[in-house]
Amino acid sequence: DAGVTQSPTHLIKTRGQQVTLRCSPKSGHDTVSWYQQALGQGPQFIFQYYEEEERQRGNFPDRFSGHQFPNYSSELNVNALLLGDSALYLCASSFGRSEAFFGQGTRLTVV
Amino acid sequence: AQKVTQAQTEISVVEKEDVTLDCVYETRDTTYYLFWYKQPPSGELVFLIRRNSFDEQNEISGRYSWNFQKSTSSFNFTITASQVVDSAVYFCALSEGAGSYQLTFGKGTKLSVIP
Repeated sequence: DAGVTQSPTHLIKTRGQQVTLRCSPKSGHDTVSWYQQALGQGPQFIFQYYEEEERQRGNFPDRFSGHQFPNYSSELNVNALLLGDSALYLCASSFGRSEAFFGQGTRLTVV
Repeated sequence: AQKVTQAQTEISVVEKEDVTLDCVYETRDTTYYLFWYKQPPSGELVFLIRRNSFDEQNEISGRYSWNFQKSTSSFNFTITASQVVDSAVYFCALSEGAGSYQLTFGKGTKLSVIP
């Protein structure tokens, strides 16, 4: 049984560019959440998708947007990249209120 | 607002020692969930345990045990007879009631087990 998979694993982008990160949830899970983890910090909640809609959002600007597809996979888009967007981006999937399972993350570096 | 505090930034122990990782939380909800996750160098957060606010029973799983005390808003994690493979960053997290789905994490405790 495949767990949560994320792609790509590493990414380098230039300031001002746009980036798309992808996530496939664990089999049987219908909910996807995205987190940003800066170096030496705990993950920060960006948003959660359920039934193809954003169900809850954390304290992140509109430059961060997402999408969930009918097969429950999800994308995180970040526009107008800033140096401060450099972080590990983690995707988590769950079913209902069950515990969340995380992927290995995408390491984004903005130069 | 919900908040999780892990006061211990880094801990080093010698293999086979016991170690306790502290977690203190703040919430106004009476219904909430507490979690512990392990993050090895690979980056993936590995789920260890979830407890709801109505269940204060302590739990033991192999060398791991958890002590939940609502009176002190604490949810501490003890590893008995630590092993080198236990070296990782450990995060405590909180999810509030029925209306919230987000996990609020502490800043983590980096545990180093020295052979």
